[in-house]
Amino acid sequence: SQQGEEDPQALSIQEGENATMNCSYKTSINNLQWYRQNSGRGLVHLILIRSNEREKHSGRLRVTLDTSKKSSSLLITASRAADTASYFCATLIRNSSASKIIFGSGTRLSIRP
Amino acid sequence: ETGVTQTPRHLVMGMTNKKSLKCEQHLGHNAMYWYKQSAKKPLELMFVYSLEERVENNSVPSRFSPECPNSSHLFLHLHTLQPEDSALYLCASSQLRGTEAFFGQGTRLTVV
Repeated sequence: SQQGEEDPQALSIQEGENATMNCSYKTSINNLQWYRQNSGRGLVHLILIRSNEREKHSGRLRVTLDTSKKSSSLLITASRAADTASYFCATLIRNSSASKIIFGSGTRLSIRP
Repeated sequence: ETGVTQTPRHLVMGMTNKKSLKCEQHLGHNAMYWYKQSAKKPLELMFVYSLEERVENNSVPSRFSPECPNSSHLFLHLHTLQPEDSALYLCASSQLRGTEAFFGQGTRLTVV
C-alpha cells in the first residue's frame, strides 16, 4: 500500500515566493527523503532527514520531520523558475534482507516567472 | 547524470512482442530496484534485488520478469504486455544498508 501522501497535489506560486509541501506516512521509518523529478525523467535525491532529527537545511531547502504525527514538510525558499518539477517524499523501510524506498504521490510545483 | 543508465529511453511494443529493459550502474551499489510510474499514480516498487538475489516482488504480473546477472546490471524482460502496462519504468540502485537511491532516466514504454 502507498506509504506517503503529499499535500498539495499541485502548487503554483510566483517566482521569489516560498513553496511548502507536506508529506504524511503510515509506518515507522528509518529516515525520510525528498526527491525531485523533472517531467518524464528520473528522480534526483534532494535531502534526507533521519528519524531522530527534527529539522534539516540544505541551501534553499528546509525539511522538518514530526515522527509523532508521521509527517514531514519541504520548504523551498526564494523559488526560481528552475524549481518547477514534481517533488516526492519517500520513506526508507529497512528489514533484514534489504532496504525499500517507498514513494508518495508527489506534488507538482509550478513557478510562474 | 546519476551514474545509473537505462536503455532504451523509449520503447513501443505490440502486445505479442518480447522485449527487455536494461539498467546499468557502476556506483558500487549492491541493491537495485525496478519502479513503475504511471500517469497520476504514485511510483510503484516492482522488484528489489539485494546482492543479486530478488528479495521483493510486489505482486507483479508474471509478464514482467526481472533478471540480475551481477551487481552492476539489472534487466526487466517483458512479454505479452497489455496497454495498461504503458508507463515510465525507472531503475534505481543504492547501497544495501544505504540511504538514498540513485535513479536512471527511465524507459518510456508504450504498449500498442
